[in-house]
Amino acid sequence: AQSVTQLDSQVPVFEEAPVELRCNYSSSVSVYLFWYVQYPNQGLQLLLKYLSGSTLVESINGFEAEFNKSQTSFHLRKPSVHISDTAEYFCAAGGSSNTGKLIFGQGTTLQVKP
Amino acid sequence: NAGVTQTPKFQVLKTGQSMTLQCAQDMNHEYMSWYRQDPGMGLRLIHYSVGAGITDQGEVPNGYNVSRSTTEDFPLRLLSAAPSQTSVYFCASALQGEGSYEQYFGPGTRLTVT
Repeated sequence: AQSVTQLDSQVPVFEEAPVELRCNYSSSVSVYLFWYVQYPNQGLQLLLKYLSGSTLVESINGFEAEFNKSQTSFHLRKPSVHISDTAEYFCAAGGSSNTGKLIFGQGTTLQVKP
Repeated sequence: NAGVTQTPKFQVLKTGQSMTLQCAQDMNHEYMSWYRQDPGMGLRLIHYSVGAGITDQGEVPNGYNVSRSTTEDFPLRLLSAAPSQTSVYFCASALQGEGSYEQYFGPGTRLTVT
């Protein structure tokens, strides 16, 4: 069965410092990977996704994630964070069954301090 | 487009009461789903639908019913509310087929069962 593990429940970091949020997945079939962001009291928004092709994917606000098949990882990185990046981040995986089902990780709270 | 809408935003129920959480989307998406979000557990799939008239169970279906009579609407019914169903509920929709899978989320319904 497919599963997603986010290795850190909370990540505190100072403003302008780099950050990495870790995500590992388990799957024996083709996998699609996503990072979603949830700001306080809001729904989830797609941050970036890997479906196929280049293993490095980027978002419009400076985040990037790299699909690593050998390590079954999809870690999220940003070289310099802002206070406004404070949010909860969810990693999710979907299979090739065409049902659109996603399995979510437990979430990582990114706390950016001034 | 309004995207995915959910009503109500907040609800308080007493144990044993029933209610329906409403979800609608105007993007003509085939796939719709319901998740519950609990602290430290990420999002867990309750039920999902791949089209009108087709529903299936997710990871935590007990205590919930769904139906899909139209492409646009996917209501979630709690037949006899229990305190364990206190949670934030999110509805999501997505296109089907290769290259899609991006799920669009509603703003959520915060349910408290006393």
